[in-house]
Amino acid sequence: QVQLVQSGAEVKKPGASVKVSCKASGYTFTSYDINWVRQATGQGLEWMGWMNPNSGNTGYAQKFQGRVTMTRNTSISTAYMELSSLRSEDTAVYYCAREYTAAAGFIDLWGRGTLVTVSS
Amino acid sequence: VIWMTQSPSLLSASTGDRVTISCRMSQGISSYLAWYQQKPGKAPELLIYAASTLQSGVPSRFSGSGSGTDFTLTISCLQSEDFATYYCQQYYSFPHTFGQGTKLEIK
Repeated sequence: QVQLVQSGAEVKKPGASVKVSCKASGYTFTSYDINWVRQATGQGLEWMGWMNPNSGNTGYAQKFQGRVTMTRNTSISTAYMELSSLRSEDTAVYYCAREYTAAAGFIDLWGRGTLVTVSS
Repeated sequence: VIWMTQSPSLLSASTGDRVTISCRMSQGISSYLAWYQQKPGKAPELLIYAASTLQSGVPSRFSGSGSGTDFTLTISCLQSEDFATYYCQQYYSFPHTFGQGTKLEIK
């Protein structure tokens, strides 16, 4: 069925990097933009950026510029989000999410989330 | 950056009630607004897009209205499964910001 399957939980030390994967199935991976959204425990949703899996073009929220990199491997229908220079405030569930149609802007399919814990 | 004010942050209501949630933008976004529902421990789910278009499979008791800077999500007759947190999201310009969320709890 149509789904996004994310990689498992991660525990990282401050200053390290984390790379979360998101494997798409049940649809044509390159036809829909992928967004990344995070949510700290008990907090709201925070939009991080988007990637066009066909072209590889990306756009990042200013807050994450210079620390986040979104990439993909089309041969295995997988998107990646790497966040570097981790700090405790980056502890959150990270979601990958598919836009409704190409460049629609809003999201109709979400992964189940990946918990990233940053702790010394 | 477009700033969003979602209100109220907490809403207490009973089954069968009609409730409204508001989302106000710092600048006009035409109808580029979506609403999501999130239950504890789960990913959000799309309810409404283009301010008023109901996503397939979403019950008709949910409705959205507004354009420009002021938007509303209405649930006409609350069911037990509707108690959750609701978020608006603008997708008019980057970054595609979310509102702060409204937790709908049982009175």
